[in-house]
Amino acid sequence: GAVVSQHPSWVICKSGTSVKIECRSLDFQATTMFWYRQFPKQSLMLMATSNEGSKATYEQGVEKDKFLINHASLTLSTLTVTSAHPEDSSFYICSAPGGRAKPQYFGPGTRLTVL
Amino acid sequence: GENVEQHPSTLSVQEGDSAVIKCTYSDSASNYFPWYKQELGKRPQLIIDIRSNVGEKKDQRIAVTLNKTAKHFSLHITETQPEDSAVYFCAADTGTASKLTFGTGTRLQVTL
Repeated sequence: GAVVSQHPSWVICKSGTSVKIECRSLDFQATTMFWYRQFPKQSLMLMATSNEGSKATYEQGVEKDKFLINHASLTLSTLTVTSAHPEDSSFYICSAPGGRAKPQYFGPGTRLTVL
Repeated sequence: GENVEQHPSTLSVQEGDSAVIKCTYSDSASNYFPWYKQELGKRPQLIIDIRSNVGEKKDQRIAVTLNKTAKHFSLHITETQPEDSAVYFCAADTGTASKLTFGTGTRLQVTL
């Protein structure tokens, strides 16, 4: 099946700093990628849809200025958590559809801890 | 928008027994229903999916049924094994940019 990678797998940062997370589709092209956030023992909550060549679409309640998304190419989307605070600590996961009428494949996730 | 409800939130079964997890969805436009298994700290893994033109699909010990009229779908795991222990999520996709709405998850524990 299709492979999605994510980097870094974990990151610890100080409050107020920015953190960039990369999501790559390794063996297929993805014009759309999705970013999710998952708190402990909770479900995956869609944050935004990343669109190659255009602006991301954010879900209601997600601050676009805080969670910057850039879909630079057909295989790379980045999520930047700006001015991170402890409440942003979470498991961030990206996904990409494997192709037309194919399921979504998830990256391994990035565990962000903000001190 | 789409709303997906999932039950039960936790499920404990003995090894060899069957497990059933149920989900309901609200948007009649939804046409694709995947099930994911997530182990602690890992990515969700697709285990089976079903499209709205099919009522049932089976893959070895795992099966999914879909009732479009009632807007619910279920995951059935037979002959459960300890390695089936994980959190299972159902999801629904309206087909608009493949956006998935997830259920709240079911923590399955298979005991010896």
